[in-house]
Amino acid sequence: SQKIEQNSEALNIQEGKTATLTCNYTNYSPAYLQWYRQDPGRGPVFLLLIRENEKEKRKERLKVTFDTTLKQSLFHITASQPADSATYLCALDIKGGFKTIFGAGTRLFVKA
Amino acid sequence: NAGVTQTPKFRILKIGQSMTLQCTQDMNHNYMYWYRQDPGMGLKLIYYSVGAGITDKGEVPNGYNVSRSTTEDFPLRLELAAPSQTSVYFCASTDPQGTGANVLTFGAGSRLTVL
Repeated sequence: SQKIEQNSEALNIQEGKTATLTCNYTNYSPAYLQWYRQDPGRGPVFLLLIRENEKEKRKERLKVTFDTTLKQSLFHITASQPADSATYLCALDIKGGFKTIFGAGTRLFVKA
Repeated sequence: NAGVTQTPKFRILKIGQSMTLQCTQDMNHNYMYWYRQDPGMGLKLIYYSVGAGITDKGEVPNGYNVSRSTTEDFPLRLELAAPSQTSVYFCASTDPQGTGANVLTFGAGSRLTVL
């Protein structure tokens, strides 16, 4: 069956450390992989996307890696801040289709 | 620009009642989507549309209907509300022509409770 899996347990880290979130998928052939941030009571907000033929993408303190052989993406936030506390969602754009499929998200808590 | 606007923000329905969740976008996006989000379950795609007059089912379409008569509007209809439809509903839109990817702009959500 097709699945997108993110760590269901919350990630707690200390301010200034690097947060690493994982997204694994099975039986999908994504053209793109996206990461979104969602704050409580709000809609998700797009952060970064990476194409299937790209290995790594950076934007300010954010870095995404994409390994289509392992079917895995890692999302890193360096020098984390309490304001980075949120739920982070992984999403796949399926090849040849119009749909974007989401994982359940990982809750990140950054302590001061 | 307002982006994606959803109404109402909150609604309580009785079992068997009907209602329509409204969604409108002012970005001239052709693609629009409805998702529902249950606690700890992520976003599940209900229906989507790639242009006026064109709609298709997502992962969880049962109990819902949609229409797309204009580019701007994509209402979601619940005909016979059931407790299983208690959820937060998000509308989203995109124009993939720039990046080729479906980078979604979401509305603020509509919280629906069915009692």
